[in-house]
Amino acid sequence: SAVISQKPSRDICQRGTSLTIQCQVDSQVTMMFWYRQQPGQSLTLIATANQGSEATYESGFVIDKFPISRPNLTFSTLTVSNMSPEDSSIYLCSVPGGAGGNSYNEQFFGPGTRLTVL
Amino acid sequence: EDQVTQSPEALRLQEGESSSLNCSYTVSGLRGLFWYRQDPGKGPEFLFTLYSAGEEKEKERLKATLTKKESFLHITAPKPEDSATYLCAVLGVGRRALTFGSGTRLQVQP
Repeated sequence: SAVISQKPSRDICQRGTSLTIQCQVDSQVTMMFWYRQQPGQSLTLIATANQGSEATYESGFVIDKFPISRPNLTFSTLTVSNMSPEDSSIYLCSVPGGAGGNSYNEQFFGPGTRLTVL
Repeated sequence: EDQVTQSPEALRLQEGESSSLNCSYTVSGLRGLFWYRQDPGKGPEFLFTLYSAGEEKEKERLKATLTKKESFLHITAPKPEDSATYLCAVLGVGRRALTFGSGTRLQVQP
């Protein structure tokens, strides 16, 4: 299984500021996914990060609010911009399993970044 | 639109008291149904993927089963360390990311 790390593990931020979350995978993967888990809720997909192209956003999520970078096949960043208390959530990155991350029979998650916005 | 509903929302068991968690789903075409365990403050831990009705998979005290409309996660003789939130998710045809249910919070008391 893929080993995924995220930085920071947690942060407390002020309203109106931005935070960039990093996701590092120990192997090359085709796609990386970014999810949000609001307090007491389940996981909601924000966007799919593709290497070499623009990220694909789900309904209700926009690039200006959640810009994503994918500079190579092992790394991605998600920025939460102009934060408000409603952005307080756990942000998780996820990758498919298998060689090259091409098997969708398994999907693995990082440990998450717990964000609190005051 | 893919949808996943889990029940109950919360379940409290005594150690050794077996039970089942339910996951009902609607999806245009099922590529896989996933079960995860999530401990507080951590990311989901992959447990199983089921692909077709009638399939079963086991891991220690956990057994997952699948029908055309729902999946069950059976917990046999649970221990306190099985306490966690169990998440169910589906992967539909044409999709690459998962659609999750809201989870079942399981508490096993000694």
